[in-house]
Amino acid sequence: AQSVAQPEDQVNVAEGNPLTVKCTYSVSGNPYLFWYVQYPNRGLQFLLKYITGDNLVKGSYGFEAEFNKSQTSFHLKKPSALVSDSALYFCAVRDPGSARQLTFGSGTQLTVLP
Amino acid sequence: GAGVSQSPRYKVAKRGQDVALRCDPISGHVSLFWYQQALGQGPEFLTYFQNEAQLDKSGLPSDRFFAERPEGSVSTLKIQRTQQEDSAVYLCASSPLNEQFSNQPQHFGDGTRLSIL
Repeated sequence: AQSVAQPEDQVNVAEGNPLTVKCTYSVSGNPYLFWYVQYPNRGLQFLLKYITGDNLVKGSYGFEAEFNKSQTSFHLKKPSALVSDSALYFCAVRDPGSARQLTFGSGTQLTVLP
Repeated sequence: GAGVSQSPRYKVAKRGQDVALRCDPISGHVSLFWYQQALGQGPEFLTYFQNEAQLDKSGLPSDRFFAERPEGSVSTLKIQRTQQEDSAVYLCASSPLNEQFSNQPQHFGDGTRLSIL
C-alpha cells in the first residue's frame, strides 16, 4: 500500500521569506513522488517530480524539493515566497512496482502575506 | 486541445437522478484516470483506462458508478441514482504512456463540481 501525509493543513509565510511545505510518504518499494498546486476552482498543476537520481529536484516557478529516503520525506521549498504562490499544495506518491494511480495527501493551504 | 477538458464544469442534480460527466484528454494520451475530490481533501482514485481498456476500477465507491472510454479517447463517468454523499469535484487526468512504465506526471482537467440536492 502507498500513502502520503501532509502534517500541516495551513502554512503562513511573509513575502520574501523562504517557505517549506512538508510531506512524508510510505511505500513498499522505491517511490515516484510529485508535487501539484491547485488554485481555486481549477485542476491540479504539476510542479515537480522525483523519480531517481539527484535528491534535490527543481521544478516550475522556482520551487524545489528534497527527497530524503531515510526520513521518507519529500518537502517542498522555495527560497523567496511570492504572494502569488498562495494556493493549495498536494504531495503525491506512486509505487511503480504495484500501483498505476497516484495517492495524494490531504493538502496544505499556503498563504503568503504581503 | 491543449489540455484536459472536462464538462460540465458545474452540475446540480436532485437525489436519485443519473448524471454523466465527460472528460476529453490530451490528444494521443494512452492513460486516463478519474479521481474524486471531496471538499478539503486530496483527490482519491476512482478508475484507470489504458486506451479503451478499463484496467482498474478498484476505487469506484459503489456499483452506481460506471466509467467508459469506448474509442480510447473521450471518457464518461456515469453515476446512477445519485446520493448526497456523491457531492464532490470529479477530476480527470491523462498521461502519455502506459502507466505501468511511465514516470510522467498526470495532466489534470479543471474538474466537474457535482452537487446533489
